[in-house]
Amino acid sequence: DTEVTQTPKHLVMGMTNKKSLKCEQHMGHRAMYWYKQKAKKPPELMFVYSYEKLSINESVPSRFSPECPNSSLLNLHLHALQPEDSALYLCASSQERKGVGGLNTEAFFGQGTRLTVV
Amino acid sequence: KNQVEQSPQSLIILEGKNCTLQCNYTVSPFSNLRWYKQDTGRGPVSLTIMTFSENTKSNGRYTATLDADTKQSSLHITASQLSDSASYICVVRSDSHNNDMRFGAGTRLTVKP
Repeated sequence: DTEVTQTPKHLVMGMTNKKSLKCEQHMGHRAMYWYKQKAKKPPELMFVYSYEKLSINESVPSRFSPECPNSSLLNLHLHALQPEDSALYLCASSQERKGVGGLNTEAFFGQGTRLTVV
Repeated sequence: KNQVEQSPQSLIILEGKNCTLQCNYTVSPFSNLRWYKQDTGRGPVSLTIMTFSENTKSNGRYTATLDADTKQSSLHITASQLSDSASYICVVRSDSHNNDMRFGAGTRLTVKP
């Protein structure tokens, strides 16, 4: 199983709603990521969890709250979002394996959640 | 300044032609570099991964090169197909404990019949 599963695929929410995005992988990867991607732009790193601990927070507004309840799950809790937060939210996971020349990072991405804030 | 720069920003080629995409990076310390293909509205899919000791790696019609001294990588696509139309993104992993992965802005490739 080399899949990263994200749910839901699409989400429409109001600015006063509270919702959560979910990400799941069963590859034993110990690093998990949230990226935000606007149309025609590359993914922007939001958060990185390493061994279930938050290792990078790219100064993301507090209306985005990540959670890593266990090594297979990554959530992104959303509250009081703005219309400009509408984007594709991508989850990724990675695991390093030592190769001949260095570390080979197996990194896989989910298909994303298309979020629309109205 | 972005730590991963890609060029060109967009490219249009005819079906069957070859093309080369470029990636320059300043991410340090360097661990590895990946090329991803991303279709619109979908998650990125990995094409190749290269560590500092690897100069070239092929995956079917895709061949990636890496010069760790000049911090440059290229992705060469041969005999392009219509299905190659997508964004190609260079991602560089730093050799740090925080598992940092940085994306380039991507090259939008359009293959026309």
